[in-house]
Amino acid sequence: DGGITQSPKYLFRKEGQNVTLSCEQNLNHDAMYWYRQDPGQGLRLIYYSQIVNDFQKGDIAEGYSVSREKKESFPLTVTSAQKNPTAFYLCASRGGLGQGGRATHFGDGTRLSIL
Amino acid sequence: DQQVKQNSPSLSVQEGRISILNCDYTNSMFDYFLWYKKYPAEGPTFLISISSIKDKNEDGRFTVFLNKSAKHLSLHIVPSQPGDSAVYFCAALNTGNQFYFGTGTSLTVIP
Repeated sequence: DGGITQSPKYLFRKEGQNVTLSCEQNLNHDAMYWYRQDPGQGLRLIYYSQIVNDFQKGDIAEGYSVSREKKESFPLTVTSAQKNPTAFYLCASRGGLGQGGRATHFGDGTRLSIL
Repeated sequence: DQQVKQNSPSLSVQEGRISILNCDYTNSMFDYFLWYKKYPAEGPTFLISISSIKDKNEDGRFTVFLNKSAKHLSLHIVPSQPGDSAVYFCAALNTGNQFYFGTGTSLTVIP
């Protein structure tokens, strides 16, 4: 079945450490996204990529970095510069009109906590 | 600046009754609207969508209504079931395909 896989499901970060969250999709979607969800808040866009080797900052990109070397993969690195990284992170992908419509599909998320 | 707003953070409904979740938006450039359902510790799941050229779209127990003049959309679930208890997000796409989410409404269906 096609879908989006995020790993790990739970991740712990020590102070001053960078951690990378994995996101892989086999939906052949061009666009991929990273969102952050905090308790009582909506989804906030961190980074997005419309095509391989290109990505754009979202609303809260500071302290994060991404890469898009392959269409299927869009890893997110939470750097030590991100002072409040504890949150639920969601990866998403979306096809164009010819790729199954404009609905965005989500992975099951990674919960990141600080040790 | 929150361009998509869900002003009710929570809603409780009796099983079998209708659940109505509301969403308001400010940007007239939005041309496609979606509703997602989210369980704790899971990613949102796409439920139903509507294009701005329509005012209603129905899929089983779920119906989305769009009132463009009021910049308002709503999701109706009838009859409501306990398994519908989740957080519901509305989302909007503009013509540039930029995606905006509401803050979510937590629905509890009481058996």
